[in-house]
Amino acid sequence: EPEVTQTPSHQVTQMGQEVILRCVPISNHLYFYWYRQILGQKVEFLVSFYNNEISEKSEIFDDQFSVERPDGSNFTLKIRSTKLEDSAMYFCASILRAEGVNYGYTFGSGTRLTVV
Amino acid sequence: DQQVKQNSPSLSVQEGRISILNCDYTNSMFDYFLWYKKYPAEGPTFLISISSIKDKNEDGRFTVFLNKSAKHLSLHIVPSQPGDSAVYFCAARPTGANSKLTFGKGITLSVRP
Repeated sequence: EPEVTQTPSHQVTQMGQEVILRCVPISNHLYFYWYRQILGQKVEFLVSFYNNEISEKSEIFDDQFSVERPDGSNFTLKIRSTKLEDSAMYFCASILRAEGVNYGYTFGSGTRLTVV
Repeated sequence: DQQVKQNSPSLSVQEGRISILNCDYTNSMFDYFLWYKKYPAEGPTFLISISSIKDKNEDGRFTVFLNKSAKHLSLHIVPSQPGDSAVYFCAARPTGANSKLTFGKGITLSVRP
């Protein structure tokens, strides 16, 4: 079964450093998302991406965050200057089209980001 | 602003019995509802969904019921199995080609052998 692949599985970084979280969505999917889950809290929407541009972003997704699809296969989330409160599991998700048969987004297994 | 609420943080049931996981929502614009299952250190895995034009959708041991007037949905798992032990998230989205999912906080289901 096709998968969304995320790397690395765990990233430890010092506060103020830049991090890039990588995702390879399912190849024929067109819509891409980043979500995050702070430990013990709910999964929160960060950003959606379609046709090489951001479709929607949440309040969390401020100027420190950016996304890119540089080569038609990878989908990256960059945090320019990490803060302690950025520590969370970051999930990438993709969907072929939102009006698909099962409406189910496919999530990757996540990157655990720890900011120290 | 909790648009999707899962008020019970945990549920424990005996193997073979029915598990009923509840979810409430407040946003009338939500048109599609989904249940995801999550194991530790893994991403959410899609289980089952329901459109607002239906009141029931069944897939094997999993059935989702939607009561649109009460803004309430539930996931029934029968019979429950120990492998069903996980965190279950209710999620919802409005109609739209690129709509984001709004998640509840999740319910931890434990199925006792």
